[in-house]
Amino acid sequence: DAGITQSPRHKVTETGTPVTLRCHQTENHRYMYWYRQDPGHGLRLIHYSYGVKDTDKGEVSDGYSVSRSKTEDFLLTLESATSSQTSVYFCAISERLRNTEAFFGQGTRLTVV
Amino acid sequence: AQSVTQPDIHITVSEGASLELRCNYSYGATPYLFWYVQSPGQGLQLLLKYFSGDTLVQGIKGFEAEFKRSQSSFNLRKPSVHWSDAAEYFCAGSFGNEKLTFGTGTRLTIIP
Repeated sequence: DAGITQSPRHKVTETGTPVTLRCHQTENHRYMYWYRQDPGHGLRLIHYSYGVKDTDKGEVSDGYSVSRSKTEDFLLTLESATSSQTSVYFCAISERLRNTEAFFGQGTRLTVV
Repeated sequence: AQSVTQPDIHITVSEGASLELRCNYSYGATPYLFWYVQSPGQGLQLLLKYFSGDTLVQGIKGFEAEFKRSQSSFNLRKPSVHWSDAAEYFCAGSFGNEKLTFGTGTRLTIIP
């Protein structure tokens, strides 16, 4: 299994509070991604990174920000959590941006009450 | 726009029976195609991938998939399912200059 660790694995937070999810990889892959998984929608890309300090938006980026200060760490921040952001969040890594498989972490279940 | 479609939301099969999960894509050329499996509470694990060449690809856990250009399909098959195969299965594609696109998933239930 690819060395990807997500933390925390579960979190309950209140509406309006900031939340940061962490993804740590030991594979030295250049590309890192944050997805959210919701019933009926499959996996949707939130943001991705193509290097230290290099990030770009995915299809559902509103309300989320990311940072990558080291190759191995990719942080996802909800500046002010809303109930619509209740979801399971997955981090993934890949060696290339296109035409390649991605490897996934175990996921973080976030509940916003 | 490129897309991946999994027409079956939920499939139930008996243990020992054969399985076929459907995946269709929309793209003008040959994409890179993948099948992932997600067990409850777990992340996604890559089962197999198709890039080019032989249209029948073998994966882990006894799964195989066949790429059919004429039908724009990449269906996943297993000759005899085990109770441990109960999971959600995702088909994904990488189209040209685009990143991975996932289908909405098929949940597989196994009955004794």
